[in-house]
Amino acid sequence: DAGVTQSPTHLIKTRGQQVTLRCSPKSGHDTVSWYQQALGQGPQFIFQYYEEEERQRGNFPDRFSGHQFPNYSSELNVNALLLGDSALYLCASSLYADRWEKLFFGSGTQLSVL
Amino acid sequence: TQLLEQSPQFLSIQEGENLTVYCNSSSVFSSLQWYRQEPGEGPVLLVTVVTGGEVKKLKRLTFQFGDARKDSSLHITAAQPGDTGLYLCAGGASNTGKLIFGQGTTLQVKP
Repeated sequence: DAGVTQSPTHLIKTRGQQVTLRCSPKSGHDTVSWYQQALGQGPQFIFQYYEEEERQRGNFPDRFSGHQFPNYSSELNVNALLLGDSALYLCASSLYADRWEKLFFGSGTQLSVL
Repeated sequence: TQLLEQSPQFLSIQEGENLTVYCNSSSVFSSLQWYRQEPGEGPVLLVTVVTGGEVKKLKRLTFQFGDARKDSSLHITAAQPGDTGLYLCAGGASNTGKLIFGQGTTLQVKP
């Protein structure tokens, strides 16, 4: 049973560019959440997708957007990259949008913005 | 706004020592979780504490949930180098699927 998979594992971009990160949830899960984790800090909630719609959003600017596909996989897009966007981006999946107790995390995508 | 504060933020100890990490909030949480994360990996769930005053043990790790459900602690007995990592406490935001994390405690256990 595959867990949460994310791609790519590492990415280097320059300021002003756009990036797309991808996530496949654990088998049987229908909800995907994205978190941003700065080095040595706890993850911060970006947004959650359920039934192909953004259900909740954290305190992140509109440069951060996402999408969920009919097969429950998800993408995170970040436009006009800033140096401060450098972080580990984690995807977490669960069954049902309100089940935070049962989140499974992927290994993340390490984004470096130069 | 629900916030979780962890202390200490960094801990460097020798193998065999004991340590305690604290997680505090001014808000009541229905339950709290503890995660361990290694560099370049996602957080891995260690335990969920649900009932106020609850104590759970996982080998050399002891987790406690405060009576008022506003705080929790993680105690490690006889720490080993393999315990090195980032320890995160987390709680769910009310009636949402959002997980709120503390800022984490980086533990380094030297042989």
